Amino acid sequence: ETGVTQSPTHLIKTRGQQVTLRCSSQSGHNTVSWYQQALGQGPQFIFQYYREEENGRGNFPPRFSGLQFPNYSSELNVNALELDDSALYLCASSSEGQGEKLFFGSGTQLSVL
Amino acid sequence: AQSVTQLGSHVSVSEGALVLLRCNYSSSVPPYLFWYVQYPNQGLQLLLKYTSAATLVKGINGFEAEFKKSETSFHLTKPSAHMSDAAEYFCAVTRNSGNTPLVFGKGTRLSVIA
Repeated sequence: ETGVTQSPTHLIKTRGQQVTLRCSSQSGHNTVSWYQQALGQGPQFIFQYYREEENGRGNFPPRFSGLQFPNYSSELNVNALELDDSALYLCASSSEGQGEKLFFGSGTQLSVL
Repeated sequence: AQSVTQLGSHVSVSEGALVLLRCNYSSSVPPYLFWYVQYPNQGLQLLLKYTSAATLVKGINGFEAEFKKSETSFHLTKPSAHMSDAAEYFCAVTRNSGNTPLVFGKGTRLSVIA
């Protein structure tokens, strides 16, 4: 049990729709990272938020966006869903300067039909 | 840029046999290296990490890994496989500074045969 919770656990959407995924960080952690894990692949870094500001981004288009709130919880928003967006989305939290100590949630499984 | 290569997408061992999962890394700066395990329908759990201290790192569940700079390797081993070790294993690398993101390998699925 890492203390990082994600919701929902599963989600089915249609191509072109928009989706919001949520993550609650472990207590005391002010940094949140989001990863996309496609079937049969390793997780890929989407972006990271630190103190409510985006603090690094991977090779993902602008339709992937995020928010971090004052309580350090976070959202991942994906617009104009594509079939290839089907994946497990993982949230991980860490404390300041401790990026090597990531705590992962169980993920949200998104299916785009 | 940093990357890791996991050799073998699927490894099968008998219960009680040695587990060896291979990982080679590429990094232009001193790396931090990690092994994570993922059970079906779950997130990632940290097994162990190398952060420039001892080159032989011991982790949870009897796993260990040795950092070999000359071979750019960080292979994961366990002397005796247990049925509960069946899972997906990911090697990951990051720079040894601040909140830099992890770069993961594609994973190795470990099967344990009774």
